[in-house]
This record gives sequence, C-alpha cells and structure tokens, in this order.
Amino acid sequence: KAGVTQTPRYLIKTRGQQVTLSCSPISGHRSVSWYQQTPGQGLQFLFEYFSETQRNKGNFPGRFSGRQFSNSRSEMNVSTLELGDSALYLCASSLYAIPYYEQYFGPGTRLTVT
Amino acid sequence: DAKTTQPPSMDCAEGRAANLPCNHSTISGNEYVYWYRQIHSQGPQYIIHGLKNNETNEMASLIITEDRKSSTLILPHATLRDTAVYYCIVPSNSGGSNYKLTFGKGTLLTVNP
Repeated sequence: KAGVTQTPRYLIKTRGQQVTLSCSPISGHRSVSWYQQTPGQGLQFLFEYFSETQRNKGNFPGRFSGRQFSNSRSEMNVSTLELGDSALYLCASSLYAIPYYEQYFGPGTRLTVT
Repeated sequence: DAKTTQPPSMDCAEGRAANLPCNHSTISGNEYVYWYRQIHSQGPQYIIHGLKNNETNEMASLIITEDRKSSTLILPHATLRDTAVYYCIVPSNSGGSNYKLTFGKGTLLTVNP
C-alpha cells in the first residue's frame, strides 16, 4: 500500500506571498493532520480533518488554513508568508479521527521563505 | 497532554537491545502511551502504543509499569538504521483543543557500530 505523499517536496517563496501544500493520505485513511516542524519549536500540531470537516485546530494564526476533499486528499494554505513560516510541513493520515493517534506521516514539504 | 520526561540522549551498541525510558506520572486511567521516532530529515514513524498491558509488534516492545507512571520502549536488536529521535507521547482524551499529538524533545538514540 502506498504511503502518505506530499507535494511539492521543496518550495521557496517570498515574504508576503501565499502557498498551498498538498497531501494524499494512505488509501482508506479518512483523517489527515498537519504539523509544522522548526528547529526552535519542534513539531507542532496545526489542524486535523476528517470527512472534509476540521475537527481540531492548534494554536496558529488564521493565516494558516486547510481543507479536505471528498477523496480525503488535503491541502493547507498559508497566506501572507512571514520569514518565521520557514519550516518542514508534515502531513499524517490515520484510519480514524483523533483521538485515534496511530498516524502515518509523509516525508514533508520543506518551505523556505525569503 | 500528560507530561512526559525522557532522557535527551542515549547510546547503544549495534546488535544489542536498546531500552528507552519514559516517565508519565500524571497519566490518567484511560490515556494511552504512544511511541514515535523520527529519523533525520524524514517524517515521524509510528512505532507502538499501549494502555496498561505490555505490547509487542514487529518493530518493538512496550513495557508499561503496573502503576502506569512510566514505560520502556525496547528495540531488541538495534541496528544503525535505528538511530533516530524517539518520542514518548501521552495524548489527552479530555477533548476540545487538547485532542492532538504533542511532540516533546524526545530521546536521540545513537546506535554505534
């Protein structure tokens, strides 16, 4: 079974721009969670989607948003990029929604904001 | 989430068992213990989870003390590819904004040849 895929793998953007990242979960998985990883803050939870509904959200500003499609694929968007948004963005899928935490992570998208 | 405490780093010889401890003294009765690891530059990888009984799968064994205040992840025959940061996580079941995996700093396990 194919794992979680994320596109693109690397991205360079300029401050003020917006970016959209994509995640395709493992086939049959209906829950998708997003995380941000930086050297200073570590891995931090952004939000979780299940059946196209955002079920839970972390402590990030409204510039960070996401959505899930009927085929469980998910996108996250960051508007008005700041230098501090440079990070590895990870997507994870699981069979069931949180609080089921057996999650399978993708390789991540490395975003650099200049 | 219940707070977890892990040593920042550990070494292990290749082929030997690696025993990674975790303290979670504030764990509630219905909260599970999860273990993940992250190999450098990759996404985290789920290893195992348990409630109160010992668990074993193809990757590792999880030993949870009877009072559930601590646990040990055991990699029975560590290889160089097991070098990674290992995270012990006790997600909250209290709902609302607490429903999330909170990754701490974990333990950097270095397997030496």
